[in-house]
Amino acid sequence: EAGVVQSPRYKIIEKKQPVAFWCNPISGHNTLYWYLQNLGQGPELLIRYENEEAVDDSQLPKDRFSAERLKGVDSTLKIQPAELGDSAVYLCASSFVAGENEQFFGPGTRLTVL
Amino acid sequence: AQSVSQHNHHVILSEAASLELGCNYSYGGTVNLFWYVQYPGQHLQLLLKYFSGDPLVKGIKGFEAEFIKSKFSFNLRKPSVQWSDTAEYFCAVNARGSQGNLIFGKGTKLSVKP
Repeated sequence: EAGVVQSPRYKIIEKKQPVAFWCNPISGHNTLYWYLQNLGQGPELLIRYENEEAVDDSQLPKDRFSAERLKGVDSTLKIQPAELGDSAVYLCASSFVAGENEQFFGPGTRLTVL
Repeated sequence: AQSVSQHNHHVILSEAASLELGCNYSYGGTVNLFWYVQYPGQHLQLLLKYFSGDPLVKGIKGFEAEFIKSKFSFNLRKPSVQWSDTAEYFCAVNARGSQGNLIFGKGTKLSVKP
């Protein structure tokens, strides 16, 4: 069974440029999560989807971050414009349902903003 | 608000030494508890989890963790570490019975000397 797929694995951009990350969850997983992981920290949730609905986006900085999960499968996270402080690893995870089910993580996208 | 504290930032051990990584959480209600591991160059993966029942939980690769409710702790243990256990270990919690999101600790980096 394929795991959670993310692309790109690495991205280097200049500040004020836009950037997008893509995630394909495990087949059949209804819940999809985007996390932000800064250096030396644990992952912090940005947004959680149940199918195509964003049910928790309270931690998403909506002035520059946006996300979508069309058709309830793949998801894209976008930053526009990127700032120096956005340099981090962006993780995608999925689970069959939310709550008590194990979350499976992708390899992450390491973003560097110059 | 929930929070998770991991006491050690970096632990260095020799092979065959015993391991105990501390994890304390802050939450007044019932929780589910998790330990995730991230080996160098790999993605986060579940090591073990506690939902209910026996507070001593056994996971993969000889790891175990004990839930002590009175101490709000969920420490990870292994009687004899191997060089291949070198990794970063994250404790996480979510509120049981809700659609609660995972709250992660900052992680503990374990280095095992051969």
